[in-house]
Amino acid sequence: AQKVTQAQTEISVVEKEDVTLDCVYETRDTTYYLFWYKQPPSGELVFLIRRNSFDEQNEISGRYSWNFQKSTSSFNFTITASQVVDSAVYFCALATGRRALTFGSGTRLQVQP
Amino acid sequence: SAVISQKPSRDICQRGTSLTIQCQVDSQVTMMFWYRQQPGQSLTLIATANQGSEATYESGFVIDKFPISRPNLTFSTLTVSNMSPEDSSIYLCSATGTGGYEQYFGPGTRLTVT
Repeated sequence: AQKVTQAQTEISVVEKEDVTLDCVYETRDTTYYLFWYKQPPSGELVFLIRRNSFDEQNEISGRYSWNFQKSTSSFNFTITASQVVDSAVYFCALATGRRALTFGSGTRLQVQP
Repeated sequence: SAVISQKPSRDICQRGTSLTIQCQVDSQVTMMFWYRQQPGQSLTLIATANQGSEATYESGFVIDKFPISRPNLTFSTLTVSNMSPEDSSIYLCSATGTGGYEQYFGPGTRLTVT
């Protein structure tokens, strides 16, 4: 069985603070993909990143960065200099051979002005 | 990439009735899925929609309650049958691109059962 754990239920920060969202996954498959999605209050899922299990390079996209560590089965997401528009629920997810996603429980991020 | 549309975007239904949600993809995809997101919760996979055959349901979901069709590669429907207030959720259609692990999501159907 596979599992994704997002231990942080809710995080509140003040604008311009950096914030890291944690994600720990479990799978027996050696080939898998990890994802992060953002879900703003409108409800739509916004794709942020996909990373495969063979690529442990960290990635930076603007204010967003991701740290993938297979040794600890973690795929953490950092927002630098957070903004009010970053307020949303963020989901980490895992896909293996079945292709369907297993989602974590989500982390609600509140960025206060 | 693929763009997924869903109809209706939202609906308010009475207890005991059924609602069919349509999912249309603008390009060929390999696999299609249906997820449910109950209020304040994460997304849970309901089933994999198989083209031309019965859907594959996850534990806790049954065909009588959530019949699914996928008559071709780009279209699928999910019916929520004999609805109760507990069925109030967002229902999302998803598809995997032909490249393998691209995952596309529709905008969701927000269902309220009164």
